[in-house]
Amino acid sequence: QVQLRESGPGLVKPSETLSLVCTVSGGSIDGKYWSWIRQPPGKGLEWLGFIFYSGSPNYNPSLESRISMSVDRPNNRFSLRLTSVTAADTAIYYCARLALEKRGWGPFAPWGQGTLVTVSS
Amino acid sequence: VLTQPPSVSVAPGKTARVTCEGDTVISERVHWYQHIPGQAPVVVIYYDTDRPSGIPERFSGSKSGTAATLIISRVEAGDEADYYCQVWDSDSDLWVFGGGTKLTVL
Repeated sequence: QVQLRESGPGLVKPSETLSLVCTVSGGSIDGKYWSWIRQPPGKGLEWLGFIFYSGSPNYNPSLESRISMSVDRPNNRFSLRLTSVTAADTAIYYCARLALEKRGWGPFAPWGQGTLVTVSS
Repeated sequence: VLTQPPSVSVAPGKTARVTCEGDTVISERVHWYQHIPGQAPVVVIYYDTDRPSGIPERFSGSKSGTAATLIISRVEAGDEADYYCQVWDSDSDLWVFGGGTKLTVL
């Protein structure tokens, strides 16, 4: 079955750029939508954005000035970039797949295990 | 905005109900996730009432007006987790999660 795994630096300095990659295995990235979600310590889930395999992104308006996503089809992976990070961006970052079905947007499934990113000098 | 109670406590074998309230619930389909800390979130109910394969029949969903409810029957210790509701807000073109509910099995 499809599995997702997040990777990237666990520590980022304030004002720098957070970059994460989600590698998809067990299935193709083609034809699907892919999303990023985060969970700050002690808080709930926050949707960051999603991107179609062909590259059309949709971002959370609260982050739109700092966020970008891209797809690397040959390597079956997609990426997240978040610029000008602060301590408030410290969180566990998850990637997930979602599907647009006849009934509408399906749930996020599956999810990666998540990766903790700490913003600190 | 989706509002969930911060916590729900239930004795083993009893029924737990986790609510999710918001105006968007009326017109949008609700998905529910179980999140055990340290693990990947898992969808337990989708499109308001559907249950994925592999999820026990003890998990069910309902919706009425502005409130959706996740119902867990015959609660077990292994059900202890955080539960989140989620909708696609088609007016704003964004996904919204509820604040999450911590289910404690007494």
